[in-house]
Amino acid sequence: AQTVTQSQPEMSVQEAETVTLSCTYDTSESNYYLFWYKQPPSRQMILVIRQEAYKQQNATENRFSVNFQKAAKSFSLKISDSQLGDTAMYFCAPNRDDKIIFGKGTRLHILP
Amino acid sequence: GAGVSQSPRYKVAKRGQDVALRCDPISGHVSLFWYQQALGQGPEFLTYFQNEAQLDKSGLPSDRFFAERPEGSVSTLKIQRTQQEDSAVYLCASSDPLAGNYEQYFGPGTRLTVT
Repeated sequence: AQTVTQSQPEMSVQEAETVTLSCTYDTSESNYYLFWYKQPPSRQMILVIRQEAYKQQNATENRFSVNFQKAAKSFSLKISDSQLGDTAMYFCAPNRDDKIIFGKGTRLHILP
Repeated sequence: GAGVSQSPRYKVAKRGQDVALRCDPISGHVSLFWYQQALGQGPEFLTYFQNEAQLDKSGLPSDRFFAERPEGSVSTLKIQRTQQEDSAVYLCASSDPLAGNYEQYFGPGTRLTVT
């Protein structure tokens, strides 16, 4: 079975700081996608960033970037210049076949 | 539509009652997923449709849970004889397989409380 481990249940950082959320996963697939989803307190889940496993270049979306280490099956999310609106649950999620498998999440608090 | 919608947003049911939760996916999205999210946890896969075909129902926790998508668009998740352990947020997501990236778009969820 595919497993996803997010080792940081909860984190707090000051506004404007940089924070890194860690994720490791287990898969037998050779090609797959990896996602970070954000779920703010209003609970609507939205995509933050996506990485294709066959691409060596790490994905970047504005203040959000990933550090993808395929051999280590590691997929961390870095948030630069954090903002109050980044406060949310963050879920690491690789795909398996047509499905997405979610980790337990990291609750991130951005402090003013 | 502009996004995935779900109704009702909140549902309180007495133990033993049947409930029906509705999901309207993004227009044109052929794939539709249901998840169960317990408080403070990540979403757990329940079932998956491609058009009207239910391709995977391995995550349904018991035979009290039933999902359908008869015309390949709107889907309904039905829970019969609700139990307290069914209390959770039920999330629906849709995706376009032709996009080739497996990205799923989520609805706001239905919070079910069984008393």
